[in-house]
Amino acid sequence: GDSVTQTEGQVALSEEDFLTIHCNYSASGYPTLFWYVQYPGEGPQLLFRASRDKEKGSSRGFEATYDKGTTSFHLRKASVQESDSAVYYCALSDQGTGNYKYVFGAGTRLKVIA
Amino acid sequence: GGIITQTPKFLIGQEGQKLTLKCQQNFNHDTMYWYRQDSGKGLRLIYYSITENDLQKGDLSEGYDASREKKSSFSLTVTSAQKNEMAVFLCASSIDRVAETLYFGSGTRLTVL
Repeated sequence: GDSVTQTEGQVALSEEDFLTIHCNYSASGYPTLFWYVQYPGEGPQLLFRASRDKEKGSSRGFEATYDKGTTSFHLRKASVQESDSAVYYCALSDQGTGNYKYVFGAGTRLKVIA
Repeated sequence: GGIITQTPKFLIGQEGQKLTLKCQQNFNHDTMYWYRQDSGKGLRLIYYSITENDLQKGDLSEGYDASREKKSSFSLTVTSAQKNEMAVFLCASSIDRVAETLYFGSGTRLTVL
């Protein structure tokens, strides 16, 4: 079945550091890819999405590029702030299967120290 | 904009007890979901519903029942709570198409004593 792998379980950075969270996926069809962010005490909310190869999604200084060749959708931000501390989830929804299921990665907890 | 409201926010139960979690949405979305969130395991789908009175099992449906009597509400029942169980249950909704954005509530935190 479809799967999403986030390599980093936890990341600790200082303000203004560069962030990379790795996301690789496996899907039988041509999935739409998502990044969600979850702040303490809240539900996950969409950061951005991408639907086709080489499409770049971006929001709030975060970005990721859909790479069908390497089956990746890595999240990057050039300069993190303390307010970016949250849990980040990579996810896919496979249009080819025609179902309503998403597959989420295990999540990456980001802590940014001022 | 809309909102998803989950009640209660915290739920404490005893082993073997039947417990019900409720979710309301005012997006007028057709599809609703229940996910279980455990630390380090991501979000796992318990049940989803594509319309009123429809129910579809997810990967983690054993031990749970669900009910969608109205378009705006979706409830989840833990049929027999397990001791030492602790998780956050998240309700979500989306418009009636594959690969659309999910909108989440803030969750119900379950503790079983």
